[in-house]
Amino acid sequence: EPEVTQTPSHQVTQMGQEVILRCVPISNHLYFYWYRQILGQKVEFLVSFYNNEISEKSEIFDDQFSVERPDGSNFTLKIRSTKLEDSAMYFCASSEVRFTGLARSNEQFFGPGTRLTVL
Amino acid sequence: KNEVEQSPQNLTAQEGEFITINCSYSVGISALHWLQQHPGGGIVSLFMLSSGKKKHGRLIATINIQEKHSSLHITASHPRDSAVYICAVASWNYGGSQGNLIFGKGTKLSVKP
Repeated sequence: EPEVTQTPSHQVTQMGQEVILRCVPISNHLYFYWYRQILGQKVEFLVSFYNNEISEKSEIFDDQFSVERPDGSNFTLKIRSTKLEDSAMYFCASSEVRFTGLARSNEQFFGPGTRLTVL
Repeated sequence: KNEVEQSPQNLTAQEGEFITINCSYSVGISALHWLQQHPGGGIVSLFMLSSGKKKHGRLIATINIQEKHSSLHITASHPRDSAVYICAVASWNYGGSQGNLIFGKGTKLSVKP
């Protein structure tokens, strides 16, 4: 069964360093997402991506963050100048889109997550 | 502000019990998702629904759009069902946005043998 994969599973970095989190979405999916979950808190939306551009982003997704689809398979999240509060689990997800009547809905498939620890 | 509220926050059950987890939301939605998060952190999609009821094995999910409420039921619960169950909604999207999810805080379920 196809699945979303993420690498690395755990990343430890020093404050101020740049990190790149990688995701390989399911191959025929067209929509990609990044979410994060700070320890003990709920999952939060960061950004969605479609047709090689950001389609929506949250308030969390500021200039420190960027996303890219550098080739036909990878989808990356770059965090520049990491801060202690960036420590979290980062989840990638992908979906195709389905229409139910007039409603558009996406069943999203999640990757296993990357645990980012900023020291 | 919490657009998605779940109850209870924590739930302990004995093996075999019937379990209900509730989710209320305050925004217009195109779909509601029930997700399962394992102790290791991975997230698995259980259901996506926009009306009525869905069943998969021992899991049943219902949604009442008028009341903005959904329930997840687990019949004949088993210790392997122990996990965090998360309700998430895809709010009405306009323009180019594609269904980013708003998550509840989750319900931590522990099923004792």
